[in-house]
Amino acid sequence: EAGVAQSPRYKIIEKRQSVAFWCNPISGHATLYWYQQILGQGPKLLIQFQNNGVVDDSQLPKDRFSAERLKGVDSTLKIQPAKLEDSAVYLCASSSIMGGGETQYFGPGTRLLVL
Amino acid sequence: GENVEQHPSTLSVQEGDSAVIKCTYSDSASNYFPWYKQELGKGPQLIIDIRSNVGEKKDQRIAVTLNKTAKHFSLHITETQPEDSAVYFCAASIEADKLIFGTGTRLQVFP
Repeated sequence: EAGVAQSPRYKIIEKRQSVAFWCNPISGHATLYWYQQILGQGPKLLIQFQNNGVVDDSQLPKDRFSAERLKGVDSTLKIQPAKLEDSAVYLCASSSIMGGGETQYFGPGTRLLVL
Repeated sequence: GENVEQHPSTLSVQEGDSAVIKCTYSDSASNYFPWYKQELGKGPQLIIDIRSNVGEKKDQRIAVTLNKTAKHFSLHITETQPEDSAVYFCAASIEADKLIFGTGTRLQVFP
């Protein structure tokens, strides 16, 4: 079974530029999560989708971050404009159902450096 | 909201020794507690999890214990090997939904 795929793996941009990350979850997984992991910290949830609907985006800085999951499969996370403090690893995870005690499987992450 | 504290932040052991990592949580409604291992340049990988209706769970050299009254849970790794070296994260959630992670423990196993 293929795992969660993410691209790009690395990205370097200057502040105030925009950037987008892509995630392809495990086939058949209805729930998709985006986490931000700052160096030396644990992952922090940004947004959670169930199929193509948003379940929780309470921690998403909506003035600069946006995310979508068209057709309930792939998802993109965008930052516009980027700030220095956005430098982090952006992790995508998926699970087969929501709230049912199912394991979240993580992708390798996209490492973002904002200069 | 939920808050998870994890200790120690770094842990060095000799190969063959045991390693113990401890976490405490604040929300008594949390009922799912996974442990993830993260190697350099990779995403977190689930190694073991426990639900609140169980006090202990074991999988080969790895075990997790849960004390609901005290709201803490621990990861035990026995007979450590160099390939166990990584960063370990505990997490807590309600029904495995929104995971709240600890700050991580960097484990180094020296040959």
